[in-house]
Amino acid sequence: NAGVTQTPKFQVLKTGQSMTLQCAQDMNHNSMYWYRQDPGMGLRLIYYSASEGTTDKGEVPNGYNVSRLNKREFSLRLESAAPSQTSVYFCASSAGSWSSYNEQFFGPGTRLTVL
Amino acid sequence: QKEVEQNSGPLSVPEGAIASLNCTYSDRGSQSFFWYRQYSGKSPELIMFIYSNGDKEDGRFTAQLNKASQYVSLLIRDSQPSDSATYLCAAFKAAGNKLTFGGGTRVLVKP
Repeated sequence: NAGVTQTPKFQVLKTGQSMTLQCAQDMNHNSMYWYRQDPGMGLRLIYYSASEGTTDKGEVPNGYNVSRLNKREFSLRLESAAPSQTSVYFCASSAGSWSSYNEQFFGPGTRLTVL
Repeated sequence: QKEVEQNSGPLSVPEGAIASLNCTYSDRGSQSFFWYRQYSGKSPELIMFIYSNGDKEDGRFTAQLNKASQYVSLLIRDSQPSDSATYLCAAFKAAGNKLTFGGGTRVLVKP
């Protein structure tokens, strides 16, 4: 099992360009999440999908859109990239919808730089 | 005030000693708490979680929770150089479906 995979691993964009970050999991998990991590800020939730067909905003959704393509895949789109979106992006998945004991498994991350 | 606060460190610990990491949270509705370890350039991995007051032990790791004081801690016994990493504390609240992370504490274990 690959677990949670993300593509690409690295990306450099110019201000105003668009791109989609891809995430897939092979653990048959229901819930998937997108976080960004900035130095000293910990992980901040951008969007999540409690189950296939549903998506909800997290703490920092502005400038992003998401698509839960199917149970396995959850993509994050930047329509018009800004330097403030330079960050490391992590996708995660968990077995159920939000549960007190639900471990989240993380992908390897995408390091995005917006010039 | 951040919802989950951690000292950013670095916390420097001699090999074989106990590393003590602290985390405070502001939302009294938080129900359970998670400790993740993150090596530089890698993704977070779960060490343990706790949801009841008191101590929970798993190998060399002990998590402690005091809901009255809104305080969570992680003890790493017999610290090894391989424990050098950033440790993230996270608080979960079912209402609002929120898992909120602290900024992390960087731990350095010196041989």
